[in-house]
Amino acid sequence: AQTVTQSQPEMSVQEAETVTLSCTYDTSESDYYLFWYKQPPSRQMILVIRQEAYKQQNATENRFSVNFQKAAKSFSLKISDSQLGDAAMYFCAYRSGNLGGSEKLVFGKGTKLTVNP
Amino acid sequence: GAVVSQHPSRVICKSGTSVKIECRSLDFQATTMFWYRQFPKQSLMLMATSNEGSKATYEQGVEKDKFLINHASLTLSTLTVTSAHPEDSSFYICRGRFQGYGYTFGSGTRLTVV
Repeated sequence: AQTVTQSQPEMSVQEAETVTLSCTYDTSESDYYLFWYKQPPSRQMILVIRQEAYKQQNATENRFSVNFQKAAKSFSLKISDSQLGDAAMYFCAYRSGNLGGSEKLVFGKGTKLTVNP
Repeated sequence: GAVVSQHPSRVICKSGTSVKIECRSLDFQATTMFWYRQFPKQSLMLMATSNEGSKATYEQGVEKDKFLINHASLTLSTLTVTSAHPEDSSFYICRGRFQGYGYTFGSGTRLTVV
């Protein structure tokens, strides 16, 4: 079974600074997807960024980028120029990419990010 | 974009009663709906997967008689918590699959059983 580990329960960053959230995962599959979701106090799940395992290039979405190390099974999220609105719980998630495989998302336990003004 | 409308957003019910949570796909046909549960300060755990017109598949440890899932149409899936007890208090959120392999979450339901 696949597992996702987020080793940082809480992180904090100064506004305008950069912060990196860590995530490691375990799988025997070769085809899969990795995600970072943001969950603000409203509890809405917001997709921040997605990475296909077959792509070597790290995904980037504006101020958000990932460092995907497939061999090390590591998938960290970097937030640049942090803003107050970035404060939230961040979940790393895994989904199988195999056709006919499970479509469920496996989540890490989350990292609570605080942004200090 | 694909939107899943989830209602109610908050519900308080008395112990022993049942409560229904609805997820409607507004601009797409959700052939598959995933139901997750999130306890306070914890991660999301998949409860069950439902496909339109067929019985839901429950994850290990989830009581299928307690958490009834119905996916009778391509635009509506419901989760009914039967004979609710305080330990069922949680945040429930659905996730719909639209054409191909696109997915979108509902906005969630906070259930409090008193």
